[in-house]
Amino acid sequence: KNQVEQSPQSLIILEGKNCTLQCNYTVSPFSNLRWYKQDTGRGPVSLTIMTFSENTKSNGRYTATLDADTKQSSLHITASQLSDSASYICVVSSYVGANNLFFGTGTRLTVIP
Amino acid sequence: DVKVTQSLRYLVKRTGEKVFLECVQDMDHENMFWYRQDPGLGLRLIYFSYDVKMKEKGDIPEGYSVSREKKERFSLILESASTNQTSMYLCASSEINPGQYTGELFFGEGSRLTVL
Repeated sequence: KNQVEQSPQSLIILEGKNCTLQCNYTVSPFSNLRWYKQDTGRGPVSLTIMTFSENTKSNGRYTATLDADTKQSSLHITASQLSDSASYICVVSSYVGANNLFFGTGTRLTVIP
Repeated sequence: DVKVTQSLRYLVKRTGEKVFLECVQDMDHENMFWYRQDPGLGLRLIYFSYDVKMKEKGDIPEGYSVSREKKERFSLILESASTNQTSMYLCASSEINPGQYTGELFFGEGSRLTVL
């Protein structure tokens, strides 16, 4: 069964600290993995995309990693800011099937001053 | 920039009422989607459409229907709203199949529906 699991469910950190969010998946065959950021009351916005051959990709203070062998991804946030407070959703896609996106339930990050 | 517009941000309906949620995208995207988002359950696909007048059931289509008469517009219809349909509804569009590398989903701001 194709599944995506994220951990932790929620996380509180102090402003300026780093944190890492995890995403484990069983989706097969694998096409790509995206991390989305969803601010409260808004729609999700794509942060980064990882394909099978990519191990690490950065977008500013956000760095995503992918281990396709263990089917794990992480999103590392460096020097957190208050504006990083949001839900982060991992979405894994397969290249077969019409309904081929599988969503994690998200990690709710709160950055406090 | 891609813009996906959900004009109704908040609405309150009574059980049994008909609900019509509209979504409009301005980037000529082929694909459009309706999701509902509930705490602890994440986003779940209700219906999607890969072309005008075409629709496919997602994971939870029961109690919903959709309409896509024009490429830019995808509507979600609740014929008889029930309390278990209280949720955040998110519309999204993509240029190509989201399973492909460049198939990014662009989401609207969401419509929060409360059914009393």
